[in-house]
Parts: sequence; C-alpha cells; structure tokens
Amino acid sequence: NAGVTQTPKFQVLKTGQSMTLQCAQDMNHNSMYWYRQDPGMGLRLIYYSASEGTTDKGEVPNGYNVSRLNKREFSLRLESAAPSQTSVYFCASSEVQTGSAFFGQGTRLTVV
Amino acid sequence: EDQVTQSPEALRLQEGESSSLNCSYTVSGLRGLFWYRQDPGKGPEFLFTLYSAGEEKEKERLKATLTKKESFLHITAPKPEDSATYLCAVQAYGGSQGNLIFGKGTKLSVKP
Repeated sequence: NAGVTQTPKFQVLKTGQSMTLQCAQDMNHNSMYWYRQDPGMGLRLIYYSASEGTTDKGEVPNGYNVSRLNKREFSLRLESAAPSQTSVYFCASSEVQTGSAFFGQGTRLTVV
Repeated sequence: EDQVTQSPEALRLQEGESSSLNCSYTVSGLRGLFWYRQDPGKGPEFLFTLYSAGEEKEKERLKATLTKKESFLHITAPKPEDSATYLCAVQAYGGSQGNLIFGKGTKLSVKP
C-alpha cells in the first residue's frame, strides 16, 4: 500500500528555473494538500484541493501554481524558482476535509 | 488570529520516565485538534484527532487529552523508539477550509 507518493525526493534548482513536483495518492481521498516545512516555521499550507476540479490558496501561495490532474494526482509548479523557496515540500491527502491527513515522504528542494 | 504554540521545544527523557507535551491554541472555533509524529527525513504520521473538550484518545504509550485552550500528549514509560518530533495542529470552522494550522513541534529524545 503506497499511500502518498511524491517525486522527486531531492532537487537542486538554479534561480529562475522552473519545475513541477508530482504527488499521487492511492487511498481514493477527495482532498489533497501541498505544504512547505522550514526550520523554525512549522508546516505551512501552500495550496489545497478539496475535490477533483477545485483548488484554493493556502497561507503561502505566492510563487506557486497547482493542478489537480485527476482524483489521484495533485502537482505543484514553481514557475521561476527563488532562494526563498528552498524548503521541504510535503503533499498530503485526506477524506473530505478532515485533519487526519496522510503525508508523503517529502521533496527536499534547494534553490541556488 | 488562529495560533498554535507547543512546549517545550525539546524534551530529553530517560527510558521509562513519563512526561507530557503541551499544545496551547487560540482559534475562533475549533473544528478539530490533531497530533502527528514526524521522524527525521520523513513526512508527518497521523496519531490522533480530538474534537471536543474532555475527549481523550490512546495509542500504546501515548494518550492525548483536550481542554478548551490546550491539549496534552502524555507519554507513559517511553522507549527510545518514541524519539521523534511531535506536531500539534488545529483546524478552525470558517476561514479557509482544509487549512491545518501547525505548531512548531516538540522534539522528543528518549535515552536508553
């Protein structure tokens, strides 16, 4: 049972480059989320999707875009990476809009 | 403003030495309070959901309790494998649905 799978696990980008973080879940959950985790800041919500076809901004959406491709997949795109986007990114999914979310293993992104 | 504060930031225990972690919160209307465990280099793992004051949940050596202003995670006779960072999060009614507000966590170390 894979749960929530994120790719890639590690990535180094140069300032201004773009990339897409992929996330897929196999638990048939309706809701999916993207968080970033920074030292001393805790986890912060970037974007979420309550259901297929809908997306909403979270606490820190600037510099990011998302796509809910289908019920299983939710991608996060950085159009022009900045050093401030150096972080660990987590994808999560849950049934309805509960807090009992299941998280992926994370993507460690460094922007130089 | 909705806020979650966890204390202490770090806690060192001897194996078998019971203790408690604190999560205090201010939220306009509490929809749920959640506890997660996070091991280094991994995503948070869901432990408990509490919905109303007086509620308690237990899992092995862990017991979570909830009052109107705070939650405690009690660890009874901890073992070294309980070492991890414990995260508390709240979800509020209204505002941006799906948004979990996380505390910064308590890093627990249990020495044999």
